Amino acid sequence: EAGVAQSPRYKIIEKRQSVAFWCNPISGHATLYWYQQILGQGPKLLIQFQNNGVVDDSQLPKDRFSAERLKGVDSTLKIQPAKLEDSAVYLCASSWRGAVNTEAFFGQGTRLTVV
Amino acid sequence: AQSVAQPEDQVNVAEGNPLTVKCTYSVSGNPYLFWYVQYPNRGLQFLLKYITGDNLVKGSYGFEAEFNKSQTSFHLKKPSALVSDSALYFCAVRLYPSGAGSYQLTFGKGTKLSVIP
Repeated sequence: EAGVAQSPRYKIIEKRQSVAFWCNPISGHATLYWYQQILGQGPKLLIQFQNNGVVDDSQLPKDRFSAERLKGVDSTLKIQPAKLEDSAVYLCASSWRGAVNTEAFFGQGTRLTVV
Repeated sequence: AQSVAQPEDQVNVAEGNPLTVKCTYSVSGNPYLFWYVQYPNRGLQFLLKYITGDNLVKGSYGFEAEFNKSQTSFHLKKPSALVSDSALYFCAVRLYPSGAGSYQLTFGKGTKLSVIP
């Protein structure tokens, strides 16, 4: 089965510019996650969707970050305007459901560098 | 507060020797624990999970993990390390519902494993 697809793989932007990332989860997976992984740290959850609804965005910096999953399949994460501290790898993951005993499957990530 | 910790930033082991990567947790009630591996420029790959039942969990690539409730630990082990096992390893725990009612998957900071030929 195809894995989680993300694009682009790499992105370099200047601070205050905007950027968008795209994710296509594994077919049939209802739950989709966006994580931010700063160098030397573990992934931190930004937002979790169940189908096309948000179930957890408590750690999403809503003044600059937004995400949507309009048709319950693929998703986009946007940053506007970007700051230097947003430099990180943005990982998308999906799982069959968001239940406590289900593992998540990750894409290769998008490495964002803000200069 | 509920959390997961990996006390070692780096673990070095000789090829052929057994390896252990440590993980401890702090949660209320029963924990749901996971191990992931990350190779350079790759996403995280699921290795194994503990939900309930047998304390010794077997996973991919010959890895296993031992759940110890009294020590609140979930250490990752392999009897004989390979050079190709060199990677970044993350322990994760499913936390009880946040205010939004989801089971958040929270990761430790990771342990870099280096297997020396």
